[in-house]
Amino acid sequence: GEDVEQSLFLSVREGDSSVINCTYTDSSSTYLYWYKQEPGAGLQLLTYIFSNMDMKQDQRLTVLLNKKDKHLSLRIADTQTGDSAIYFCAAPSYNTDKLIFGTGTRLQVFP
Amino acid sequence: EAGVTQFPSHSVIEKGQTVTLRCDPISGHDNLYWYRRVMGKEIKFLLHFVKESKQDESGMPNNRFLAERTGGTYSTLKVQPAELEDSGVYFCASSQEVRTDTQYFGPGTRLTVL
Repeated sequence: GEDVEQSLFLSVREGDSSVINCTYTDSSSTYLYWYKQEPGAGLQLLTYIFSNMDMKQDQRLTVLLNKKDKHLSLRIADTQTGDSAIYFCAAPSYNTDKLIFGTGTRLQVFP
Repeated sequence: EAGVTQFPSHSVIEKGQTVTLRCDPISGHDNLYWYRRVMGKEIKFLLHFVKESKQDESGMPNNRFLAERTGGTYSTLKVQPAELEDSGVYFCASSQEVRTDTQYFGPGTRLTVL
C-alpha cells in the first residue's frame, strides 16, 4: 500500500539549518505537502510543491523534490525556537483525494 | 475568512459512552475530510464528503463510527459506544476542489476514552 516515511526526531541549535526528510511510495502524486503542528495547536499548511518542480523556496523554507528517488525534504534556514513543532509530510493517495501522512518529525530547537 | 473550526477541543469520556464531534469547514468548501491521529502515530484518513454525500469512507475503522453532513455544511462524527483505542486527536479538513486543491485543517478534537 501507499506509504510516507519520516524520521521521528531532529534536534538543532538555534541559528543552524534544519533538514527534515520524507520518502513516499506513490509516484503519481500531483502535489506534496508539508504541515506543521505546534504544541496544542492544529495542523498548519506550511508549504507544498507541485510534482513537476524540483525545488520551491519560500522565505526561510526550501523544499526539494527528487522524483526518481521519491524523496522530499524541507530545509528551514536560520532555525528559531519558534520553529519547534512536529512537521508532517503528506502525499495524496493514488486516484483518491485522501492524504497519506508520515508519522511526523519532531523538531527541537535549543539555544 | 474563518478557518476550519472544530468542537469540542477536548473530550474525556468513559468507555461505552457516546461522543459527537463537530466540524465547520471553510465557507464555500464542498469537500470535507475527517482524519485522526492515534497514540502519536501517523495521521490517518477516515472519510471524505463532497457536499452532503460520502465520497470515500474507506478509512472508517468500524460501525461504531458514524459521520454525517446534513445540508452539506457542517459535519458530525459520532462514536458509539466509545472504546479505549478510540482515544486520539480527530482532525477535520476542507478544500474547495478535489485532487489538486489544498486541504486546510482545523485545530482538532482531542478525545480521551477512560
